[in-house]
Amino acid sequence: AQSVTQPDARVTVSEGASLQLRCKYSYSATPYLFWYVQYPRQGLQMLLKYYSGDPVVQGVNGFEAEFSKSDSSFHLRKASVHWSDSAVYFCAVSASGGYKVVFGSGTRLLVSP
Amino acid sequence: GGIITQTPKFLIGQEGQKLTLKCQQNFNHDTMYWYRQDSGKGLRLIYYSITENDLQKGDLSEGYDASREKKSSFSLTVTSAQKNEMAVFLCASSLRDWGGAEQYFGPGTRLTVL
Repeated sequence: AQSVTQPDARVTVSEGASLQLRCKYSYSATPYLFWYVQYPRQGLQMLLKYYSGDPVVQGVNGFEAEFSKSDSSFHLRKASVHWSDSAVYFCAVSASGGYKVVFGSGTRLLVSP
Repeated sequence: GGIITQTPKFLIGQEGQKLTLKCQQNFNHDTMYWYRQDSGKGLRLIYYSITENDLQKGDLSEGYDASREKKSSFSLTVTSAQKNEMAVFLCASSLRDWGGAEQYFGPGTRLTVL
């Protein structure tokens, strides 16, 4: 069965600093991998997804993520964060040919001025 | 674009009560989902429906029933609300795309059980 671990429940960074949010997944075959963001009092929105090809995938608002099969990781990065990036970020995995998506527990990002 | 509407936004119930949450989408998506979000625990899948006449149990289906009335609507029933239960229930929809489809989420229904 698939599983996702986001080891950092909370991350605080200063505005303008770089960001990395960590995600480790467990799945025997090649999965679909996603990052979603949840802004306060809103539903989740997809930032990016990966299935195959270039291990670095670009998303919206300057976010990117890098897939590593050897490390079973899919970390999210941003070169320079803005205060509006403060939100909860979820990593998720699903199997090709399946419809169940497994979400991690989320990382709450606080961008300080 | 489209939108997912969840009603009600807030739901307060009594212990043992049967409670129904509703979800409507106008994306014309085949697949719909119900998740439960607890603080610090991420999202857990309760039920999903691949197409209009389909229902599949997720990992957290015990204590819940679901109904896919038509392509655009998907309801969830809490069969017996548990005292002091607090959670947000999120509805989502997606294209029928073998696991790789983006899910579009509604704003949620916040449940409090007294």
